[in-house]
Amino acid sequence: DTGVSQNPRHKITKRGQNVTFRCDPISEHNRLYWYRQTLGQGPEFLTYFQNEAQLEKSRLLSDRFSAERPKGSFSTLEIQRTEQGDSAMYLCASSFLDNSPLHFGNGTRLTVT
Amino acid sequence: AQSVTQLGSHVSVSEGALVLLRCNYSSSVPPYLFWYVQYPNQGLQLLLKYTTGATLVKGINGFEAEFKKSETSFHLTKPSAHMSDAAEYFCAVSDALEYGNKLVFGAGTILRVKS
Repeated sequence: DTGVSQNPRHKITKRGQNVTFRCDPISEHNRLYWYRQTLGQGPEFLTYFQNEAQLEKSRLLSDRFSAERPKGSFSTLEIQRTEQGDSAMYLCASSFLDNSPLHFGNGTRLTVT
Repeated sequence: AQSVTQLGSHVSVSEGALVLLRCNYSSSVPPYLFWYVQYPNQGLQLLLKYTTGATLVKGINGFEAEFKKSETSFHLTKPSAHMSDAAEYFCAVSDALEYGNKLVFGAGTILRVKS
């Protein structure tokens, strides 16, 4: 178990730029989740995949956000035309099926200036 | 819709004292309940979980929690705090019947341990 890996750890970008984050889940895990965490708050669900299928998207995920999981392996989260309100920690998690616990990565901290 | 309320955004205890972090949940269906810990600039680590069966759940690092359906609570306790317990703790709920097991988190409680 090598854990969930997220890259980059930190990203600073200017408002209006596009950014992409990558998540490599634990290799045997079928499900992959993206969460967003702002200062002083708990993580908020954004979206999740079962294998390569994106099964649910939160209303928090505006049309500037897109996530993919090609071939059911790693996942990317792209934010287009970033805004200052996008500044947050973006967490990825993975799990087996059937309500097994989520394993979280260390997150990508995004700062939009 | 499910929700979680954590009473007290900050809790301070002395080293060796009892730790009690409160969590109340709202769910219209049988819940699965979790406690996660987060150290600065790191992801969340699972402390313990309740799914079915015994309502007193033991986790890592000496923590335990008790599911009380009548009180809709899942408070986290540890008999004796250690300096290394200083971190932020999150209670979370998922819908036991829902396909997808996504979690709904509380706002978190920062635990400070004084020497």
